[in-house]
Amino acid sequence: QQQVKQSPQSLIVQKGGISIINCAYENTAFDYFPWYQQFPGKGPALLIAIRPDVSEKKEGRFTISFNKSAKQFSLHIMDSQPGDSATYFCALLGGNEKLTFGTGTRLTIIP
Amino acid sequence: GAVVSQHPSRVICKSGTSVKIECRSLDFQATTMFWYRQFPKKSLMLMATSNEGSKATYEQGVEKDKFLINHASLTLSTLTVTSAHPEDSSFYICTGARGETQYFGPGTRLLVL
Repeated sequence: QQQVKQSPQSLIVQKGGISIINCAYENTAFDYFPWYQQFPGKGPALLIAIRPDVSEKKEGRFTISFNKSAKQFSLHIMDSQPGDSATYFCALLGGNEKLTFGTGTRLTIIP
Repeated sequence: GAVVSQHPSRVICKSGTSVKIECRSLDFQATTMFWYRQFPKKSLMLMATSNEGSKATYEQGVEKDKFLINHASLTLSTLTVTSAHPEDSSFYICTGARGETQYFGPGTRLLVL
């Protein structure tokens, strides 16, 4: 049972452009929505997270937009840089403290 | 703050042997630690939830006798892959939970020959 759908599977963006990754979930049992960044051969690192009581959170070049009614949230990377090339995972945290991960998006920033 | 380490980072072993992976929270106490498994180019699959001082809770389909988890202190959890076989080859990652945030370790790549 897949509770979170992440898209696209892969994304190529030109340097300086905006990278957008989307996630949609199926029920409302979640109260914390983090995004993780993973480089090859490394563990995921927390990038930014949002709670459902706000619609947007910005940290530097990274912004999460959250649409509670549509059960969707997205990650926007402004002024994308080659160093942003990585795999990004959205996740959901419910009351059982367990994270449910999206399928991941492989982002490539080209010069 | 909130650093989690894992040891070893890579391990190669022969089929039939057991391998122990350590997960430590270096600058915080983690009452709960989680163990994940990740296949190449795939998402993370939760294997078990490890609570300090109690038995681990395993996800459906994960063999508890094969993947032994011990959480002896608030900063250390261990995963032992017993009688490892080639299909156990994978990237194993732990997390330490502080509040609602899980901080990931760097992962351990296991190769069983």
